Amino acid sequence: ETGVTQTPRHLVMGMTNKKSLKCEQHLGHNAMYWYKQSAKKPLELMFVYNFKEQTENNSVPSRFSPECPNSSHLFLHLHTLQPEDSALYLCASSLLGGRESYNEQFFGPGTRLTVL
Amino acid sequence: SQELEQSPQSLIVQEGKNLTINCTSSKTLYGLYWYKQKYGEGLIFLMMLQKGGEEKSHEKITAKLDEKKQQSSLHITASQPSHAGIYLCGARPVLYSGGGADGLTFGKGTHLIIQP
Repeated sequence: ETGVTQTPRHLVMGMTNKKSLKCEQHLGHNAMYWYKQSAKKPLELMFVYNFKEQTENNSVPSRFSPECPNSSHLFLHLHTLQPEDSALYLCASSLLGGRESYNEQFFGPGTRLTVL
Repeated sequence: SQELEQSPQSLIVQEGKNLTINCTSSKTLYGLYWYKQKYGEGLIFLMMLQKGGEEKSHEKITAKLDEKKQQSSLHITASQPSHAGIYLCGARPVLYSGGGADGLTFGKGTHLIIQP
């Protein structure tokens, strides 16, 4: 596989469920991101991982818990979500480096999450 | 925080016609990224602009960044059905230093429909 993959592509869960979203990049990148895309709102940054270390948590509620075990894999653990958390969750990766590296981010296809 | 305003919000264009999408920032743009998204899917990277007055082209799409680095435009020449989708501009919040990862701030997007 190439690029950035995300599983599952669609997920329906109840508010009491616990589920996880998975992202994998095959590009040799060293930074990974979670974004949330809700209807009629701009794409929102959730978390940033730089060399497996979380460097940014954009005021995300604790019911969302990220995990980055290595530079190729990123998870988003979900528990006790609310209906307003229904959205498209997008993962992205980029290659950090010298001055010529402009942090171009490559996105996965997303996971469409519905919380009942 | 940086906000990106995209205009128009939606655009219906007859096939073969030219069109322009604009992206305006409240602050200086340190790296302006144009992405295309098909409905409910991931983002496809189009172009990245960094220097004031910079212009880049790929096939029939041209992107420009103004000298003051607060406004960018995306121009499509002789539009085709394959150009339909949502066009998003994203920006880096700070000047890239070659070190850490930075998430992008995005506009709400422009929905482009191509009429045959």
